[in-house]
Amino acid sequence: EVQLVQSGAEVKEPGESLKISCKGSGYKFVNNWIAWVRQKPGKGLEWMGIIYPDDSDTRYSPSFQGLVTISADKSIGAAYLQWSGLQASDTAMYYCARLRTTGTTRPVGWFDSWGQGTLVTVSS
Amino acid sequence: QSMLTQPPSLSGAPGQWVTISCTGSSSNIGAGYDVHWYQQLPGAGPKLLIYDNIYRPSGVPARFSGSKSGASASLAITGLQADDEADYYCQSYDSSLSVSVFGGGTKLTVL
Repeated sequence: EVQLVQSGAEVKEPGESLKISCKGSGYKFVNNWIAWVRQKPGKGLEWMGIIYPDDSDTRYSPSFQGLVTISADKSIGAAYLQWSGLQASDTAMYYCARLRTTGTTRPVGWFDSWGQGTLVTVSS
Repeated sequence: QSMLTQPPSLSGAPGQWVTISCTGSSSNIGAGYDVHWYQQLPGAGPKLLIYDNIYRPSGVPARFSGSKSGASASLAITGLQADDEADYYCQSYDSSLSVSVFGGGTKLTVL
């Protein structure tokens, strides 16, 4: 069974750094793109970026480029999302999701498995 | 502002049929990229409902169906049930940004 298990909820103060994780199991982690998706309270889904764990090829949405860093450790089957200086506006639920593709190595496809979400609260 | 446009809300009575539209442009759906749909129940994470425009993953009832034409796509739900009350999102790929994009979401209320 494919599973993505995310790290637990975080409460941080503005300016602090944070790294959350997403650990995959039940499939070949290195050969599947993993994306991060933000959902602010009461709002819709926002695609942040995506990484291919085998070679760490990473793409970012222009809206998130330079604001977050996505990385992966293929030796332990984990992907990460990190901030170097959180802001109150980063308060949201963050999901990781596995991308399924057909006949392409590009990150074009659908998200068939999702993590349970990591709630990040930034408040002074 | 999402690159894929969905109606913010829809409602229907139990047993009725509803459709949720997803309108894109020449850089995403109109460019031939497939559309995928997700259901997000209250308090839960998103769940894949339809992929590659028309296909249902195992376990998704046949009451849910998808279609695509030109730069738009639709999700149809027949025989509406109370537990269909959820937010629904479309998703595709945009070649101008080289990223995946989600629609703004549609809140479906079952009256």
